[in-house]
Amino acid sequence: AQSVTQLGSHVSVSEGALVLLRCNYSSSVPPYLFWYVQYPNQGLQLLLKYTSAATLVKGINGFEAEFKKSETSFHLTKPSAHMSDAAEYFCAVMGGGADGLTFGKGTHLIIQP
Amino acid sequence: GAGVSQSPSNKVTEKGKDVELRCDPISGHTALYWYRQSLGQGLEFLIYFQGNSAPDKSGLPSDRFSAERTGGSVSTLTIQRTQQEDSAVYLCASSSAPEREQYFGPGTRLTVT
Repeated sequence: AQSVTQLGSHVSVSEGALVLLRCNYSSSVPPYLFWYVQYPNQGLQLLLKYTSAATLVKGINGFEAEFKKSETSFHLTKPSAHMSDAAEYFCAVMGGGADGLTFGKGTHLIIQP
Repeated sequence: GAGVSQSPSNKVTEKGKDVELRCDPISGHTALYWYRQSLGQGLEFLIYFQGNSAPDKSGLPSDRFSAERTGGSVSTLTIQRTQQEDSAVYLCASSSAPEREQYFGPGTRLTVT
């Protein structure tokens, strides 16, 4: 069975500050890992994905994530937060024969002016 | 190109009625997924179709839920005898192949009164 844990249901940062959203996964096999963003009343938009090609993955809107197998982590970062980054962020895992994505509970990112 | 589309965008129904939710995947995508998003349960995987193969229905929450995919393209999720706990946003996603990134539609917000 797979699982995803996102630490912090809400994260607040100042505009221009570093964004760090934490994700830890549990999987019995090398996983495929994803970060999605959801803006209010919209569907999920893919930010980036890890598929074993490189441990540091760059995504859209200046976000990146680093896969650390020893820590079973896939944390999402952005060097400088922008007001438009305010949204709900979901980490997800697929693998081990599972057909669909297993999502974390999400982290609501708040940007303070 | 066109993304995943879902209809209706909103559906209000009375308890006990049947509802049908429709998903049009991205053209050429062979894999199609249904998820449910609710406040209490977060994002849950429901069912997955790969081409014309029989789907894995093990994620469906009850036997009141069913889904079909015609001609390997459009999919319909049917909920019979709706209950208040069925109220949620139902999201559809498609991908070019299993374990590739999934692209999500805007969702159908179902409210059971």
